[in-house]
Amino acid sequence: DAKTTQPPSMDCAEGRAANLPCNHSTISGNEYVYWYRQIHSQGPQYIIHGLKNNETNEMASLIITEDRKSSTLILPHATLRDTAVYYCIVSSYSGNTPLVFGKGTRLSVIA
Amino acid sequence: DGGITQSPKYLFRKEGQNVTLSCEQNLNHDAMYWYRQDPGQGLRLIYYSQIVNDFQKGDIAEGYSVSREKKESFPLTVTSAQKNPTAFYLCASTDRFNSPLHFGNGTRLTVT
Repeated sequence: DAKTTQPPSMDCAEGRAANLPCNHSTISGNEYVYWYRQIHSQGPQYIIHGLKNNETNEMASLIITEDRKSSTLILPHATLRDTAVYYCIVSSYSGNTPLVFGKGTRLSVIA
Repeated sequence: DGGITQSPKYLFRKEGQNVTLSCEQNLNHDAMYWYRQDPGQGLRLIYYSQIVNDFQKGDIAEGYSVSREKKESFPLTVTSAQKNPTAFYLCASTDRFNSPLHFGNGTRLTVT
């Protein structure tokens, strides 16, 4: 079973920031938080990951709470092309442990 | 460009036939994975391989088989024993040390 909880769906107006929450209250000390997204009928795409510090790259920002029990993925200026299912996953960063994907959050960006 | 190639994109088979889905990567990754996705659902792990000539069952391995004879190739066979084979199949790979999963664009299998 996935170790994260995400809302099943969210809407966001085009040009606004999309804030996608994720609860991972049972995360252990060596587990990272990963975010992927899946545009319809394509393979999932890696977005960002982090351990305890906030992270930012060209796609998004990841904010992790101090107790690491929850996180938020931020798409600063959502576009229609950001409409996708977003998956939040926790896993140790060994490359040997298969990632477990839950149902994710379906983000709809509206014009 | 480096990446993962899954072929074909769409595949149709009659019930009772075995079918093999192709997955090739040129990323020099050690680990490769097969996931299955049903409509409106997340991804479920079928098989994974961390090294050539070795592989492990995932959560839903029954009715599937794999081989890993070459580092760059990880074909999945859907056998006639798989009761509900119609699904979207995704292949992925990663380096054993430090890289996110890279996915192919999937094969949509329809069995009638």
